Amino acid sequence: QFVLTQSPSASASLGASVKLTCTLSSGHSSYAIAWHQQQSEKGPRYLMKVNSDGSHIKGDGIPDRFSGSSSGAERYLTISSLQSEDEADYYCQTWGTGIHEFGGGTKLTVL
Amino acid sequence: EVHLVESGGGLVEPGGSLRLSCAASGFTFSSVWMSWVRRAPGKGLEWVGRIKTKSGGGTTDYGAPVKGRFTVSRDDSKNTLYLQMNSLETADTAVYYCATGYTGAFEIWGQGTMVIVSS
Repeated sequence: QFVLTQSPSASASLGASVKLTCTLSSGHSSYAIAWHQQQSEKGPRYLMKVNSDGSHIKGDGIPDRFSGSSSGAERYLTISSLQSEDEADYYCQTWGTGIHEFGGGTKLTVL
Repeated sequence: EVHLVESGGGLVEPGGSLRLSCAASGFTFSSVWMSWVRRAPGKGLEWVGRIKTKSGGGTTDYGAPVKGRFTVSRDDSKNTLYLQMNSLETADTAVYYCATGYTGAFEIWGQGTMVIVSS
């Protein structure tokens, strides 16, 4: 049984950087995850896949301001030079045999 | 260009049924596993169910809240994914998305279709 844990909310100022965290449950620290962005009233958008070694593969058209990294059971999404359109809900997702799981999501507010 | 377009949402009474469709274009539909994901009002994303490719056995898996009530199917000749929802409950009220990818991550998403279960 996977559990992905995310902080419910985060905030940062326009032009600043923010690092969002997704923590994998015990026994699953080697799993890759994906990050998705969901802006208000829109469908989710795939941002990137982050592997346990910290390597990441971004989706088409995702700006360089978005990057991923890992440490142990934690997977990170860093957004630099924050823009107003980055205000959104961010979800991590992982998968296994016969199952997919999402974290509870982090609501990012750009001040 | 890659596209997933959901349809079939609407208002249905508790205990009723509804079938959603997801039309795919821009990629080889028959080669990918397809999933349904939903987002209820005020809540986060929740995986609903998945179907493998025909060559992979075409088998399905479901999240616990919908197991036994929902059925995922596909018609590769029409590049279309379906979600048959029976015995609907108010807790099934959500926007339903179809999604897919090549590595387990959901790299492609639709724009969603709204299902409201209410009397």
